[in-house]
Amino acid sequence: AQTVTQSQPEMSVQEAETVTLSCTYDTSESDYYLFWYKQPPSRQMILVIRQEAYKQQNATENRFSVNFQKAAKSFSLKISDSQLGDAAMYFCAYRSANSKLTFGKGITLSVRP
Amino acid sequence: EPEVTQTPSHQVTQMGQEVILRCVPISNHLYFYWYRQILGQKVEFLVSFYNNEISEKSEIFDDQFSVERPDGSNFTLKIRSTKLEDSAMYFCASSEIARTDTQYFGPGTRLTVL
Repeated sequence: AQTVTQSQPEMSVQEAETVTLSCTYDTSESDYYLFWYKQPPSRQMILVIRQEAYKQQNATENRFSVNFQKAAKSFSLKISDSQLGDAAMYFCAYRSANSKLTFGKGITLSVRP
Repeated sequence: EPEVTQTPSHQVTQMGQEVILRCVPISNHLYFYWYRQILGQKVEFLVSFYNNEISEKSEIFDDQFSVERPDGSNFTLKIRSTKLEDSAMYFCASSEIARTDTQYFGPGTRLTVL
């Protein structure tokens, strides 16, 4: 079974600085997808970014980018120019061909003004 | 931008009662999902649904749970006899294609069982 590990329960970043959130996963599959979802206090799950495992190029979405290391099974999220609105819980998630998402435990990000 | 909607936003019920949680997926999506998140814990998969059938279900999704697409727009999760441990946030999600597409989540229904 696939597992997703987010070992840091919380992190803090100064506004306008850069922060990296870590995620590792375990799988024997070669074709899969990885996601970062953001969950603000409203608890809605919002897609931040996704990465296809077959793509070598790291995904980027405005201030958000990933460092995807397939051999190491690592998928970290980098947030540049952090803003107060980035404060939330962030979940790393894995999806294989069977379509269900497997989530990590999440990390709470706080942004200091 | 199209979005997944869920009603109600908060449901309070007594233990042993039946509840129905409702979702309206994005209109051109064909694959539907329910997840739940017990407070302070990670999001867990419950069930996936395609072509009016369950595609996959987790061990959490026992006989107390059922899903239905009663019409062309709604997707429901029914819990027949609620238990205290069913208290959680329930998220509906949908995607256009299961294998490659992103799942978009609704805002969730907070279920409180007393």
